[in-house]
Amino acid sequence: EIVLTQSPGTLSLSPGERATLSCRASQSLSNNFLAWYQQKPGQAPGLLIYGASSRATGIPDRFSGSGSGTDFTLTISRLEPEDFAVYYCQQYVSSPQTFGQGTKVEIK
Amino acid sequence: QVQLQESGPGLVKPSETLSLTCTVSGYSISGGYYWGWIRQPPGKGLEWIGSIYYSGNTYYKPSLKSRVTISVDKSKNQFSLKLSSVTAADTAVYYCARLSGGPGGWCSPWGQGTLVTVSS
Repeated sequence: EIVLTQSPGTLSLSPGERATLSCRASQSLSNNFLAWYQQKPGQAPGLLIYGASSRATGIPDRFSGSGSGTDFTLTISRLEPEDFAVYYCQQYVSSPQTFGQGTKVEIK
Repeated sequence: QVQLQESGPGLVKPSETLSLTCTVSGYSISGGYYWGWIRQPPGKGLEWIGSIYYSGNTYYKPSLKSRVTISVDKSKNQFSLKLSSVTAADTAVYYCARLSGGPGGWCSPWGQGTLVTVSS
């Protein structure tokens, strides 16, 4: 089973700042089969990025994904108030698909 | 617009079977895609349980495989989850989702989730 490790656990930032979230895989993810999700309290996760760098429909371009192999990054260029949430990465290159433990982006 | 909605009992006794149904609207479940179940214990992260194709092919997380059954009812545009011999560790919000990119692919959209508590 591929283990995904997200860092940091919590990111304390102010609106307008840049957020950089990391996801590291225990094995190389071929074809960059990695997705990112945003989850707000009491809500289901929502897809942000798939294929490591492809934005899902309707996702603002302040969200971007990058990386390959074992190291992946989600960047939020300028935090909006609605972006403060928990973010999860997920690999789907091998079964079982697995999720990282999450990074909470909180208001500083 | 594709929408998914979970339904089922919110309370299950230990050792019994958890049963949930996901009703899909706005898209035919026979139109392709895999359909899956993911759970999230209170305050914790996400765990993929398994998925099914409209043809009936199923894929389960190995550690849950002995207790999980996922089935599809094309006539009702629904798919279901059964998890047997539950314990308190199975208490979680259970989500259904449509999967792209294969049986363990990325998930979108998701249902709103339903909390299932295992307690006597």
